[in-house]
Amino acid sequence: DIQMTQSPSSLSASVGDRVTITCRASQSISDKLNWYQQKPGKAPKLLIYAASGLPSGVPSRFSGSGSGTEFTLTISRLQPEDFATYYCQQSYNTPLTFGGGTEVDIK
Amino acid sequence: EVQLVESGGGLVEPGRSLRLSCAASGFIFGDYAMHWVRQAPGKGLEWVSGISWNNVGIGYADSVKGRFTIVRDNAKNSLFLQMNSLKTEDTALYYCAKGTLGSAWFSWLDSWGQGTRVTVSS
Repeated sequence: DIQMTQSPSSLSASVGDRVTITCRASQSISDKLNWYQQKPGKAPKLLIYAASGLPSGVPSRFSGSGSGTEFTLTISRLQPEDFATYYCQQSYNTPLTFGGGTEVDIK
Repeated sequence: EVQLVESGGGLVEPGRSLRLSCAASGFIFGDYAMHWVRQAPGKGLEWVSGISWNNVGIGYADSVKGRFTIVRDNAKNSLFLQMNSLKTEDTALYYCAKGTLGSAWFSWLDSWGQGTRVTVSS
């Protein structure tokens, strides 16, 4: 199985900050990397697909990059509604696997 | 608007069975892969199983292989998860999620239901 490792596991940031979350795969997964946002008590929401694709309706302050084994999710200017937990997920092969999550909270 | 509504969760004793359902609407269900993802209390996300639009592609997490079976009924826009020989570690919120169109059946999950809770305890 492909292991996905996210860092950091948590971070504190202020509104307006630039935030970067890293996800590493245990083997090359090309661009088969997706990001989700989950708020407490809510279902996850797709944020980025195929490493850098932005689904309709997702604000442009979210961006993704990377290929192979290392990927990043960047929030250019953190907004109050962005405080949440973020997960990466590989879709290179099955079983699909998620990273352990990064909790972004208010500094 | 895509809607996914899970049902069938509950409290069950170890070793017993449970069948989860997911009713889909707002899209052409028969064209898309579908998945189950679970989240144990206070933990992260774990993919459980997925199925292609035409049942050709089916996959399971190692933790449930041989115990869980994913089934879809395209005529009724429904997805199911038959869970047998349940263990305490299967306790989680189970989400139904919509995959992608066509043959690349394991991909991103672009819509999620609100989940149905399964508790396995004696």
